[in-house]
Amino acid sequence: KAGVTQTPRYLIKTRGQQVTLSCSPISGHRSVSWYQQTPGQGLQFLFEYFSETQRNKGNFPGRFSGRQFSNSRSEMNVSTLELGDSALYLCASSDRSSAGELFFGEGSRLTVL
Amino acid sequence: AQTVTQSQPEMSVQEAETVTLSCTYDTSENNYYLFWYKQPPSRQMILVIRQEAYKQQNATENRFSVNFQKAAKSFSLKISDSQLGDTAMYFCASLYGGATNKLIFGTGTLLAVQP
Repeated sequence: KAGVTQTPRYLIKTRGQQVTLSCSPISGHRSVSWYQQTPGQGLQFLFEYFSETQRNKGNFPGRFSGRQFSNSRSEMNVSTLELGDSALYLCASSDRSSAGELFFGEGSRLTVL
Repeated sequence: AQTVTQSQPEMSVQEAETVTLSCTYDTSENNYYLFWYKQPPSRQMILVIRQEAYKQQNATENRFSVNFQKAAKSFSLKISDSQLGDTAMYFCASLYGGATNKLIFGTGTLLAVQP
């Protein structure tokens, strides 16, 4: 069974640009969560989708958005990039509607110059 | 606010020895879960062990076990017979309530297993 796949793995953007990150969950998993990992703030929850509906959202500005498609694949978008958005963005999927047993992807490392 | 605290930024252990990583949490919820996740260098994070708060028995997974002290809000991870492959960042995490996968993570403990 293929794991969680995130693309692209690495990307470099400049301030003011926007970026879209993609996540393909494990087959059969309907829950997809996104986390931002930085050395200063650690791991912070961005949002969670379950069956195409946003179920929960973290404390991030509206520049961060996401969606989930009918095949459970998810995308997150960050508009008007800031230097502080440089981070490893992790996607995780789950085959249960709750209880935190997440399978993580390798992440998309975003560098904003 | 619900928080998870890991007070040991770095730890080191000799191969084959036992090490304990500490974690405390703060919540007023009754229904919650606690986790230890492992993030090896440049590899994806994986679940090590999971504990339901309503279960008194401590969870174990092979060489990994937890000491769950509910009243003290403490959730430590013991790794027995440490192996070089255990070298990683270890995150303690909590989840509160029902239908959600929103985890609250601690800041992590970097464990180095020395040969």
